[in-house]
Amino acid sequence: GDSVTQMEGPVTLSEEAFLTINCTYTATGYPSLFWYVQYPGEGLQLLLKATKADDKGSNKGFEATYRKETTSFHLEKGSVQVSDSAVYFCALSKYQGGKLIFGQGTELSVKP
Amino acid sequence: DAGVIQSPRHEVTEMGQEVTLRCKPISGHDYLFWYRQTMMRGLELLIYFNNNVPIDDSGMPEDRFSAKMPNASFSTLKIQPSEPRDSAVYFCASSLDGYEQYFGPGTRLTVT
Repeated sequence: GDSVTQMEGPVTLSEEAFLTINCTYTATGYPSLFWYVQYPGEGLQLLLKATKADDKGSNKGFEATYRKETTSFHLEKGSVQVSDSAVYFCALSKYQGGKLIFGQGTELSVKP
Repeated sequence: DAGVIQSPRHEVTEMGQEVTLRCKPISGHDYLFWYRQTMMRGLELLIYFNNNVPIDDSGMPEDRFSAKMPNASFSTLKIQPSEPRDSAVYFCASSLDGYEQYFGPGTRLTVT
């Protein structure tokens, strides 16, 4: 079945370090891909998305490129801040109105 | 816009009691989703509605769970009778296009 796999956390970085969180997926067809972020005690917020191969989603300094050849959607940020500390979820959706299939989440902790 | 509103934010109840969780989606959104988040199982879709009609309830764990959407601005998730293994954070999300989902802050349910 369809699935999303993320790198295990927690990931601990110093402020201004470069961030990569790996995400790979298994799905038939051409899913849409998403990154959601969950801050402590809050619901998930959509961070960025990509709907077709080679699309790059970006928001708040975060970027991810939809790579169909490697079935990946890795999240990157050039310089993280303490305020980026959160849990990041990669997800896919196969069709409009379909359910989101989430990865297990990766906890990021940024130290000053 | 106020975003997705969920109530209560926290619920503590005893095993065997009925629990009702409430959700108000973003105005104009035609899709509504109920998710459950636990450490063991991550984020799971329980059920979703389109135009107030349940479309996929395959994630509802058992007959003790039921969900309704009597109108476009209100949905409930009921557990009766509740069990300790139902303890989790329950999220409601709504969507305009069926792809991008906007999550509420969640209801943390503890069943003792």
